[in-house]
Amino acid sequence: QVQLVESGGGVVQPGRSLRLSCAASGFTFSDYGMHWVRQAPGKGLEWVATISYDGDYKPSADSVKGRFTISRDNSKNTMYLQMNSLRAEDTAVYYCAKDRVEYSSSWSRDYWGQGTLVTVSS
Amino acid sequence: DIQMTQSPSSLSASVGDRVTITCRASQTISSYLNWYQQKPGKAPKLLIYAASNLQSGVPSRFSGSGSGTDFTLTINSLQPEDFATYYCQQTYDTPPDTFGQGTKLDIK
Repeated sequence: QVQLVESGGGVVQPGRSLRLSCAASGFTFSDYGMHWVRQAPGKGLEWVATISYDGDYKPSADSVKGRFTISRDNSKNTMYLQMNSLRAEDTAVYYCAKDRVEYSSSWSRDYWGQGTLVTVSS
Repeated sequence: DIQMTQSPSSLSASVGDRVTITCRASQTISSYLNWYQQKPGKAPKLLIYAASNLQSGVPSRFSGSGSGTDFTLTINSLQPEDFATYYCQQTYDTPPDTFGQGTKLDIK
């Protein structure tokens, strides 16, 4: 069965960096686009970044552009989110999610990880 | 960016009721509309994609309809496990995709 497991969250001071990982199993990882979506405490869902199945297409939200970088290693079935210059407003649960459609970015997400909490605080 | 507005923001209902949640887009999005269910402390779950297509494994009491700017999620015969927060999401004009603010469905 499809499994997505995030790791790397924690408490970090403003301005510092953190790298999140998303380990995938149960499907052909290299055939699907992947996404990061976050949810601030008590708030709604916000798209963060997307990476195509081959890593060639990597859009990110304006709120994180220039600070966050999405990447993937298809040989390790793992996606990453490098987060630099963190701000208090980046505090959220970060979810990785699988695109529903192979070889495409449909932007609909049929499997999600359990989430990892990132808290940015001094 | 396309804005998505859900109504109501919260809703109380009883087991066995039929409920409808509405989502309106700030511009036409054809049928590029998905619905998710989220329970407290859990990840979102895809219920409906492309406005009216039931995701595999989702009970048939869930249905979606609409196109253009107005969409609805209907749950027939509410079950205890359906009490959750529901989000719509547009994927017509990306990036970014955008979500509605959520509709919290709780027990009356």
